[in-house]
Amino acid sequence: QVQLVQSGAEVKKPGASVKVSCKASGYTFTSDYMHWVRQAPGQGLEWMGMINPSGGSTAYPQKFQGRVTMTRDTSTSTVYMELSSLRSEDTAVYFCARSGSYSDWFDPWGQGTLVTVSS
Amino acid sequence: DIQMTQSPSSLSASVGDRVTITCQASQDISNNLNWYQQKPGKAPQLLIYDASSLETGVPSRFSGSGSGTDFTFTISSLQPEDIATYYCQHCDNLPYSFGQGTKLEIK
Repeated sequence: QVQLVQSGAEVKKPGASVKVSCKASGYTFTSDYMHWVRQAPGQGLEWMGMINPSGGSTAYPQKFQGRVTMTRDTSTSTVYMELSSLRSEDTAVYFCARSGSYSDWFDPWGQGTLVTVSS
Repeated sequence: DIQMTQSPSSLSASVGDRVTITCQASQDISNNLNWYQQKPGKAPQLLIYDASSLETGVPSRFSGSGSGTDFTFTISSLQPEDIATYYCQHCDNLPYSFGQGTKLEIK
């Protein structure tokens, strides 16, 4: 079955960077897109951007441009999300989620990775 | 960018009740609207895609309707396991965005 497994929780200091991984299995990695969504404690869902694992092209909302970088490793079917210049407001659970080439809904999702930014 | 306005933000209902959540887009998104369920400490799960299509394995008490700017999500008969937060999400064009969420509680 399709499965997305994310890396473990991270604690970072303000100003640092964090890199979260999402390993895909159960489907052809380069056929579909991968998205990143975050959720601050007690808050809603926020779309952070997407990557096309086939060619590596990315799309980010203006809010995160310049601060987020999404990459992939086709040899291990893994996508990465790196967020730089961390601040306390970036404390959140970060999810990866797949969407199909012709289906823009997110299914499935990874289990989530808690990133805590604290001095 | 398209804004999604979801209401209510919270809802208390009894087992067996019919529950309705609405989602309004700031511009026409056709039927490019999805609904997710999120239980505490878990990742969201897809329930409805393309505004009204039921994801495989999702109970038939869940349904969605609407097109253009106004959408509705309905649980026909609320069950205890439906306690969760529900989100709408548009996928009409980039950037995608979610509604603020509706937290559903049992009365």
